[in-house]
Parts: sequence; C-alpha cells; structure tokens
Amino acid sequence: QKEVEQNSGPLSVPEGAIASLNCTYSDRGSQSFFWYRQYSGKSPELIMFIYSNGDKEDGRFTAQLNKASQYVSLLIRDSQPSDSATYLCAVTTMEYGNKLVFGAGTILRVKS
Amino acid sequence: GAGVSQSPSNKVTEKGKDVELRCDPISGHTALYWYRQSLGQGLEFLIYFQGNSAPDKSGLPSDRFSAERTGGSVSTLTIQRTQQEDSAVYLCASSLGGQVAVGQFFGPGTRLTVL
Repeated sequence: QKEVEQNSGPLSVPEGAIASLNCTYSDRGSQSFFWYRQYSGKSPELIMFIYSNGDKEDGRFTAQLNKASQYVSLLIRDSQPSDSATYLCAVTTMEYGNKLVFGAGTILRVKS
Repeated sequence: GAGVSQSPSNKVTEKGKDVELRCDPISGHTALYWYRQSLGQGLEFLIYFQGNSAPDKSGLPSDRFSAERTGGSVSTLTIQRTQQEDSAVYLCASSLGGQVAVGQFFGPGTRLTVL
C-alpha cells in the first residue's frame, strides 16, 4: 500500500462548480497535512495545510481532515479555469521523522 | 530574494558526464529536500537533510547519485556518469524543519537533459 494515495484523474468540473479532491494516507501517526498546486512546467506551490480534525477554510479553498478515517480532502468552490492544475497531497509521517511524503497528484480540469 | 533558489535552471550534458546541481534554501530553514520529477510524473523523493542529523538517503536511485549540505545551508546534488534516464526536473525544497506544519517551499527546479 502506498503511503499517500490520490486518484490520478483527470477530474473534470464545469466552471463555477465545486471540485472535490481526495487523499488517503497509511500512517496513523501522521500529524500534518498539506495541499500543493502544480501548474504544468512549474514547481509545486503550497496552498493549504491542516493538522486538526475538521474543516479549514481559506477563500475558495476548504481542507477537510478526518484522522479516524485517515482521509484528507480539498474542496475548491466556484472553480475557475485558472484552477486547472495537478493537486498534490502531502503528509508528514512519524516513521521518517516528520519527512513529508507526497501522493502522485490529481489532475483537475475546469471547463469554461 | 527570499525564496529557494536553484542553479542552473537548465543543464544539457552528454551521457557519461558528471553534473552538479545547486540549491540555496530559504534562510533559517533547517530541512532541505531533493526531488526528481520526470515529464508527466509525480514527485520522486531523493534525499532529506534535517539540521545536523544524518541525511535520509533512502530515495537515491543509485550510487551515482550523492548530495551534501555544507554548513547547514547550501546543498549540492551530484550525479556521476549521467545516463539518459536521469533526464528530469530536479526540485529542491526547504522548510523550518521541526515546524513542518508550515510546509515546504520549492525552488524553480533544474531541468536536466542527458543526450
């Protein structure tokens, strides 16, 4: 089992819709969770982090964490074509002394 | 600049040559990571430095790859006897180390092409 799993997509949503990106992780000791956005040909950019169960909102983005289910998600409200990118989930894992482990990413396409 | 910097931005080399890639992390960041990303692929972890601890080299694909971090700051990734399959974008990232909750910040990458 991979440490951090994401559906590779592509996930296609119409402009203005809510995009829901999901991530599961295997290490129950994980404490910090991150979402990165990566445009084609660019470096990953940190957009959200969360470390408590529940929701964390920042503008159009909401991160949701459920440690019991080992599940973290990212919701993007009012999706725009400019949100089209690959979204990477990353999790710290105690096994490796807080090293960040990345999922393979989900491609999001927002259609205008 | 306050961000992570990498040099060179592009490197073209011939098969069998050695290359050195440099990363200058954000000042004060104690953790430094190297990743490799091939076209259309995810991030492949290579090596992780945290302060003065022994680096986690578990991601290095072969003994042709090595990295060092001098004075807890600048890092150099060296690839010896390059092969065509080494062609990729090499990304460096840094973070505040123990305070990983604020995440890693990536440099712009070095695009390596081995002919």
